[in-house]
Amino acid sequence: DGGITQSPKYLFRKEGQNVTLSCEQNLNHDAMYWYRQDPGQGLRLIYYSQIVNDFQKGDIAEGYSVSREKKESFPLTVTSAQKNPTAFYLCASSSMTAGNGYTFGSGTRLTVV
Amino acid sequence: RKEVEQDPGPFNVPEGATVAFNCTYSNSASQSFFWYRQDCRKEPKLLMSVYSSGNEDGRFTAQLNRASQYISLLIRDSKLSDSATYLCVARDNYGQNFVFGPGTRLSVLP
Repeated sequence: DGGITQSPKYLFRKEGQNVTLSCEQNLNHDAMYWYRQDPGQGLRLIYYSQIVNDFQKGDIAEGYSVSREKKESFPLTVTSAQKNPTAFYLCASSSMTAGNGYTFGSGTRLTVV
Repeated sequence: RKEVEQDPGPFNVPEGATVAFNCTYSNSASQSFFWYRQDCRKEPKLLMSVYSSGNEDGRFTAQLNRASQYISLLIRDSKLSDSATYLCVARDNYGQNFVFGPGTRLSVLP
């Protein structure tokens, strides 16, 4: 079955650590996205990529980094520079056809301990 | 920055009621529109696309008014299981980024 997989489901980070969240899709989608969601809040775009080896900053890119070495994979690194990383992180993918919506992964819940 | 606005609610309605959500978007170049449903602590899931002619899927009806830059979602005969946050989404005409509204929370009460 085609889909988008995020791992891990839960992640705990110590102060000052970098952590990497995985996102893999087998939908043959060109575009991939990372969003952050805080409790009771809407989705905020961190980074997106529309083609391999290219990505763009979203609204809240500071303290995060990404790579897009393969079409299927778009990992997100939460660096120590991100001062308030505790949140729900959602990865999504879409085709470039305007009429199609996003497919979301099931999310990673990151907590700083 | 393009914006999509929604009434955050919460909308508390009794089972069996009809409830309507509205959404406005500011970018007239937006081409595609969607409603997503998000349950607590879960990922958003596509509920339905929104077409200019309006579309219906069972108890759900979506409408688009391009002149007023307004999208609506109507839920008839509300069920307890409809309780969720409903996100309005606009996609620009190059098929690139999506802009999400903040969501409207619905609680259907027994």
